[in-house]
Amino acid sequence: GDSVTQMEGPVTLSEEAFLTINCTYTATGYPSLFWYVQYPGEGLQLLLKATKADDKGSNKGFEATYRKETTSFHLEKGSVQVSDSAVYFCALTHASGGSYIPTFGRGTSLIVHP
Amino acid sequence: DTGVSQDPRHKITKRGQNVTFRCDPISEHNRLYWYRQTLGQGPEFLTYFQNEAQLEKSRLLSDRFSAERPKGSFSTLEIQRTEQGDSAMYLCASSSDARGGSYEQYFGPGTRLTVT
Repeated sequence: GDSVTQMEGPVTLSEEAFLTINCTYTATGYPSLFWYVQYPGEGLQLLLKATKADDKGSNKGFEATYRKETTSFHLEKGSVQVSDSAVYFCALTHASGGSYIPTFGRGTSLIVHP
Repeated sequence: DTGVSQDPRHKITKRGQNVTFRCDPISEHNRLYWYRQTLGQGPEFLTYFQNEAQLEKSRLLSDRFSAERPKGSFSTLEIQRTEQGDSAMYLCASSSDARGGSYEQYFGPGTRLTVT
């Protein structure tokens, strides 16, 4: 079955540091890939997405590139802020036919210190 | 649109009782999903609906769990004879089935269940 593997957290950074959160996946066909963010006390919200190989999703300074050859979708940000402290989830979905079960990684907690 | 809403936000119940949670999706979304999330884990898929049809329910955790979406709008998730292991956050999400859509999901705030 499908699976998503994220790097273990927490990731602790100082403000303005560079962020990478690794995500790799196992899936048949051509899934769509997503990063969701969950701020403390809130529900998950979509951060960015990519629907085909080599697509780059970007939002709020975050970006991730759909790499089919390495089955990866790593999240990056050039300069993190304290307000980016949250839990980040990598996820995939199949956009066509058959049994449709979205799959999420277990999440990576990011803590940004001033 | 105010987004996906869930009710109640918190539920405390005694073991053996039945509980029912409600989810109201974004009005133009025809897909609705239920997940369970435990501490330190990602959302665990339970079931989903396309309009009123429940297209996938093999991942419901046991036969004590059931879900309905009778008119293709709001949905309910019921847990019968609750057990302490059912304590978790139950999430609802919705998405559009629009042609060419990527099925990005919009989540509600969740219902936190505590079984004592």
